[in-house]
Amino acid sequence: DVKVTQSSRYLVKRTGEKVFLECVQDMDHENMFWYRQDPGLGLRLIYFSYDVKMKEKGDIPEGYSVSREKKERFSLILESASTNQTSMYLCASSATYRSYNEQFFGPGTRLTVL
Amino acid sequence: GNSVTQMEGPVTLSEEAFLTINCTYTATGYPSLFWYVQYPGEGLQLLLKATKADDKGSNKGFEATYRKETTSFHLEKGSVQVSDSAVYFCALSDTPTGGFKTIFGAGTRLFVKA
Repeated sequence: DVKVTQSSRYLVKRTGEKVFLECVQDMDHENMFWYRQDPGLGLRLIYFSYDVKMKEKGDIPEGYSVSREKKERFSLILESASTNQTSMYLCASSATYRSYNEQFFGPGTRLTVL
Repeated sequence: GNSVTQMEGPVTLSEEAFLTINCTYTATGYPSLFWYVQYPGEGLQLLLKATKADDKGSNKGFEATYRKETTSFHLEKGSVQVSDSAVYFCALSDTPTGGFKTIFGAGTRLFVKA
């Protein structure tokens, strides 16, 4: 069974802390994505990566950075957490070779910044 | 640029009622179209897809037809169940113009009452 796992389901951090969210996929997918999900706004793309050590900004990259040192792992970093980064964070992956881009999602991490 | 617009929710139905969730899109190329579903406490999962005009995607009693002339991909189900309560996202992916990204609609929450 294909799987995308995220390091935490729930996380509570304080303003100014450095936060690491980790995502691992076991499908040998080339592409990985980080989204945040907020009520009424749907999914917004933060960053994505289509290869190891490659990264591209999405629609809302400010305040975030990413790291992809290995194909299966994609980390999202909040350098200095702020209360407006309280949200649900979803990781996804997809394969390049398919003619369509089905994305496989992890269960999400609900981050609260106090 | 590419975009997806879907009807706002929440949608509340009684069990066995007919469901329609409207979705229209804007794309410069020939996108693939998707419906994803998010059950409570989980990440998104693919419900159905259509990769070219006039294709009908179907799964678990849900259907959607790719209508190029009206740029629509409405989701329908003839008889909903309580277990269909979830958030539904319409999405498009257009690799030639959009790379490996998927554009998601804002989501429509469905409540089904017993």
